[in-house]
Amino acid sequence: GAVVSQHPSRVICKSGTSVKIECRSLDFQATTMFWYRQFPKQSLMLMATSNEGSKATYEQGVEKDKFLINHASLTLSTLTVTSAHPEDSSFYICSARLLRGSTRGQYFGPGTRLTVL
Amino acid sequence: QQQVKQSPQSLIVQKGGISIINCAYENTAFDYFPWYQQFPGKGPALLIAIRPDVSEKKEGRFTISFNKSAKQFSLHIMDSQPGDSATYFCAASGMFSGGSNYKLTFGKGTLLTVNP
Repeated sequence: GAVVSQHPSRVICKSGTSVKIECRSLDFQATTMFWYRQFPKQSLMLMATSNEGSKATYEQGVEKDKFLINHASLTLSTLTVTSAHPEDSSFYICSARLLRGSTRGQYFGPGTRLTVL
Repeated sequence: QQQVKQSPQSLIVQKGGISIINCAYENTAFDYFPWYQQFPGKGPALLIAIRPDVSEKKEGRFTISFNKSAKQFSLHIMDSQPGDSATYFCAASGMFSGGSNYKLTFGKGTLLTVNP
């Protein structure tokens, strides 16, 4: 149980284009989904928190107009990197928290490797 | 202070040995402490978690020890295997003012290598 999927797993795009990454909770409903980015050999950096049906909350220093987050349902959140540049190349990972239950655990997706040329 | 300090940065252990990774925190509002395992190119996987009302939790070969007064917690991997070679992250969360999203604060990670 508690499976989170991401699509695509890997994307290569040209500078200036926009890329959409999907995050789905497959076997549970998630009140909250989180988006992280991770650079090589570094820890996870939280970018934003999204709750279904409301606006995402972005961490300090994260450009909300560049990283658009939509949480359309209790099982789907999307991250759109707009006008991507090479410095946006990174490993993007989403996580989801269960709707019910006492667990506070976040369950992570497999990640999306974005390479901007 | 919402930092979680993790050590060591890297660790090499022989097969069958015990791997120990330590974390320390400052904010006493943290009340949930999970450990995650991450293999290269994959997302982190929840290994085991503890709340501050217990001092130890064991699941298979993985044990969390928690010292509330010292604000420290550690992961012990017994009978370490080459397949345990991965990066391990400690984390902490708590209900802070402004919401109940229980954001995770991660340590910087420990690269564990278990030699055969």
